[in-house]
This record gives sequence, C-alpha cells and structure tokens, in this order.
Amino acid sequence: DTGVSQNPRHKITKRGQNVTFRCDPISEHNRLYWYRQTLGQGPEFLTYFQNEAQLEKSRLLSDRFSAERPKGSFSTLEIQRTEQGDSAMYLCASSFLQGNPGNTIYFGEGSWLTVV
Amino acid sequence: AQSVTQLGSHVSVSEGALVLLRCNYSSSVPPYLFWYVQYPNQGLQLLLKYTTGATLVKGINGFEAEFKKSETSFHLTKPSAHMSDAAEYFCAVTLNTGGFKTIFGAGTRLFVKA
Repeated sequence: DTGVSQNPRHKITKRGQNVTFRCDPISEHNRLYWYRQTLGQGPEFLTYFQNEAQLEKSRLLSDRFSAERPKGSFSTLEIQRTEQGDSAMYLCASSFLQGNPGNTIYFGEGSWLTVV
Repeated sequence: AQSVTQLGSHVSVSEGALVLLRCNYSSSVPPYLFWYVQYPNQGLQLLLKYTTGATLVKGINGFEAEFKKSETSFHLTKPSAHMSDAAEYFCAVTLNTGGFKTIFGAGTRLFVKA
C-alpha cells in the first residue's frame, strides 16, 4: 500500500493555459474525491467518484473543470483556461465504501497550482 | 444546510498545557465525525473518528474527542501539548446526502509555545 499519489506536486502556469492533475488512489479503494484548499481554509469539496461513476459535482466546479476516472482506478482533474483564482492546492483522497460511511478517507500530498 | 464550524482560527497554548479545539456541526441525521491534522505542505492525516458506539474516542498522538449529540459538538482535546503538535487541525463530517459526502471545517491552527 503506497498511499494516495498525486502528480505533479507543483505546477506554475500562465493564465489561460490548461493544466491536468493526476491522482492514483489506494488500489482497493472504490471511492475517489477531489478537494480544493486555499491558504487558511479547509478543503472544499469538488467532486467524487464511486468506481468510474462521477456521483456529485460541487457548484464550485465550473465548466472549466472536468474530472474523470475512466477505469475506476486513477483519476484526472483538468482545468481549462486557468484563472488566477484557480491558484490553490488540489487534494485527492480515496476510501473504501461498502455500507459504512464512517470509513476513513486517505489523502494524497496535494498538487499545488499557481497561475501567474 | 449541513455545516461544520470550528471556533477559533488560531489557538495558542504553552507546552504541557491542555489543548482544546472546538468543533460544532449541524446535521439532521446522525453524523460521522472526524478530526484530521495537516502539517505544512502536506496532505491531511486522520487523528480520530466517531462512527457509532462509545462517544469518547481516542486517536493518535494522545488526542481524544467526545461526541455530544445534545450539543452537536465534537471537540478535540489533548491533556499536555507538545511542540510537535503545532499544525492545522480540521474537523470533518460525513453526511448522507444520497452519497455520503465529507465536508470540512475551516480549520484551527495550533501554536505551541515553549
């Protein structure tokens, strides 16, 4: 068990460019979550997947954001036409949910995005 | 609306003193409650959680929390602070919104003075 892996860990991009982040969850986990965290704030829910199905998207996730989990394993989060307000840490997390919603969510180290 | 409120964005204690970080939630259904810790430039690590059963739960690093339904609270405590406890602490609740979504409070930064 290598934990939740995210890459790249840091990304600096110019405004208007597209960026993509990848998350590899813990292998047997069927749930995968994306959160966004800005300085001094708690993680804000963006979206989550149950296997390959995207079950919920936050209103924070504008149409410039898209997330996929094509085979129910790794996931990608793409931000198109980045804006300075997108600068944040993007956290991926995973869990195994089978009837017990109290299962622990395990977080990756996060991917820092700076839009200049 | 379901929410998590952490009272105090910053808490400062002396080494060896009691740590008390406050968390209140609002939920119309029984919640599942968590405390996570975050060190600089790292992801979140679970400290402890309440799902069912005993309302006083013990976690790692000497932390514990008590679920009080009547007060809708889940405060985090540690009898004696250590310098290594300095970090950001987040209270979280998993709610049955049709898919069990976990939401987080804004966090409390703990400072430990020598």
